[in-house]
Amino acid sequence: SAVISQKPSRDICQRGTSLTIQCQVDSQVTMMFWYRQQPGQSLTLIATANQGSEATYESGFVIDKFPISRPNLTFSTLTVSNMSPEDSSIYLCSVGREARAEQYFGPGTRLTVT
Amino acid sequence: GNSVTQMEGPVTLSEEAFLTINCTYTATGYPSLFWYVQYPGEGLQLLLKATKADDKGSNKGFEATYRKETTSFHLEKGSVQVSDSAVYFCALSSGGSNYKLTFGKGTLLTVNP
Repeated sequence: SAVISQKPSRDICQRGTSLTIQCQVDSQVTMMFWYRQQPGQSLTLIATANQGSEATYESGFVIDKFPISRPNLTFSTLTVSNMSPEDSSIYLCSVGREARAEQYFGPGTRLTVT
Repeated sequence: GNSVTQMEGPVTLSEEAFLTINCTYTATGYPSLFWYVQYPGEGLQLLLKATKADDKGSNKGFEATYRKETTSFHLEKGSVQVSDSAVYFCALSSGGSNYKLTFGKGTLLTVNP
């Protein structure tokens, strides 16, 4: 397993601003992922963050809106840019060690955009 | 592509009742299957998993069996408690170099005393 922390745990932001969410893992991991969970919905994968390379984005998500950094094997950030109320969601990071294996999730960042 | 279909909620049960939450999947290759649980205000926790056909995952009194012939992974518990109230997500991860998890829509379970 892995212990994952996220900062901030929640925030209220004004439209048009940006927020950077941090994800820290207690051990080195190959793959880190960023998900969005809109109110009352399931999880949608935003992107996969690989250390030393560009993040891989899922359909419907673009780097200009959700830039991701992965400077080392224990840390990643997701920025939600030029926010609108539709970006109000819980953002979760997760880690995986190998294909077909389980992922472990952070506690999430609850974002409200006004 | 991969997909997961799970029983629509919400599900409301009395304490000590039997629980079944249905989950079926479509996937390429031989996926691993998971159940995650999300308690109110918290992140997702892995509840149990199965990595090959006929495997049974179990944890905290919950069980699920990987049925390849019916492409199913139904979650069961013999006697639910109030503390089991949460949202339950079925998920899969397929083979090759793809680490991606595909989730079902989630099922809200409420257990009343």
